[in-house]
This record gives sequence, structure tokens and C-alpha cells, in this order.
Amino acid sequence: DAMVIQNPRYQVTQFGKPVTLSCSQTLNHNVMYWYQQKSSQAPKLLFHYYDKDFNNEADTPDNFQSRRPNTSFCFLDIRSPGLGDAAMYLCATSRDSYYEQYFGPGTRLTVT
Amino acid sequence: AQSVTQLGSHVSVSEGALVLLRCNYSSSVPPYLFWYVQYPNQGLQLLLKYTSAATLVKGINGFEAEFKKSETSFHLTKPSAHMSDAAEYFCAVKTNFGNEKLTFGTGTRLTIIP
Repeated sequence: DAMVIQNPRYQVTQFGKPVTLSCSQTLNHNVMYWYQQKSSQAPKLLFHYYDKDFNNEADTPDNFQSRRPNTSFCFLDIRSPGLGDAAMYLCATSRDSYYEQYFGPGTRLTVT
Repeated sequence: AQSVTQLGSHVSVSEGALVLLRCNYSSSVPPYLFWYVQYPNQGLQLLLKYTSAATLVKGINGFEAEFKKSETSFHLTKPSAHMSDAAEYFCAVKTNFGNEKLTFGTGTRLTIIP
């Protein structure tokens, strides 16, 4: 089945220790998104790629970076995680800007 | 600018009763509207979408929603609640002018009473 896959599902990292979250898709969609979702809140868009074009949200901290080496994969790098970065991180894809987004199962990040 | 307001952060209904989750939107151009469901520790799953075709939209799991332009609403309903419907529900809006950004409401947690 075509899908959006996120690895790992649960990630524990130490304060200040860089961490990378992974997203892959078999849908061959052009657009890939990264969201941060804190407890009992709506998802907050961090950035997205339209093909190779990177689009950063104005309020996304510099601590968050992303890479998209090819159509199928997209990575979220947190350079120096703080306690406030503990959250669920959701990856989503869409065929194009007009279409609905499909979400992966998320990675729950814990910062100790 | 676009926005979504979900009335009621928590809704409880009895099993077998009508489910009604409210969503009102604000958009200066014709919107696309979506309902997503999220189960604990899971991603968001698309329930249904409105993209300027039929105003009554049927989705998965027996849910449907009606787009009412005059009321700027897109309420989600299900005739008979099931225990498995207990989850968080998000309404979202985007425009059809090449804006890839989804704007989410704050969510409604649905509890089903046995």
C-alpha cells in the first residue's frame, strides 16, 4: 500500500544532542511537510518542500533544519534540542498544492 | 487570510447518538475544507474533504459534512456514534490559489459514553 512512513516512532534524545527524524513516502507526491504537534494542540507547520524548493515558516526556530535528498525521503534535523522541543513530529505529503495532505504516524520525541 | 474555529474543545455523546462537531471558517476566497481524525499517538487521517463540488460530502467511517457558504460552516456529523469514534477531530482550511498551507482548528476531543 502507498503510504507515508516515519522512523522511528519514538525517539529519546538528550538536551543539546542533535537528532534526526526520518520520513519516506511511496505516493510519489511533490510536496512534503513537517509539523510539530504539542499535547492537546493543533499541528504547527514548520516547513515544507515543493519538489526541491524549501519553504520555511517565518516562526520556525533556526534550531530546526530539513533535507530532502530525493522525492521519497525528507529529514528533520534538530541541531540542539531543548526541553521545549519535546513533541509529536508529523510528516505529511500532497500531490500538489491543491490537494489534500496525507500524514504519517508521527515520531514522538522526548528530550531528557 | 484564512482561519478555522472549532466550537467545543470537548464533546461527549452516548453510543448510538448523533455526533455533531462544529467548524466555522473564514476565508476571503473560496476555500477547500477538510476534516481529519487523530487517534492517540497516531498521525492525522483524512475523513473527508470539500473542494467546491457537492456541498454535502460523505467520508469514511460513516461521517459526512455539509458546506454552507451562507453560514461559513462545515460541521461534521455521524448519525450513530460508535465507541471507536472516540478521538481528536481537526477541521482545516486552505485556499485554492496555490497556497500549500493548511490552517487547522484547535481540535475537538470526542468522547463516547457507553
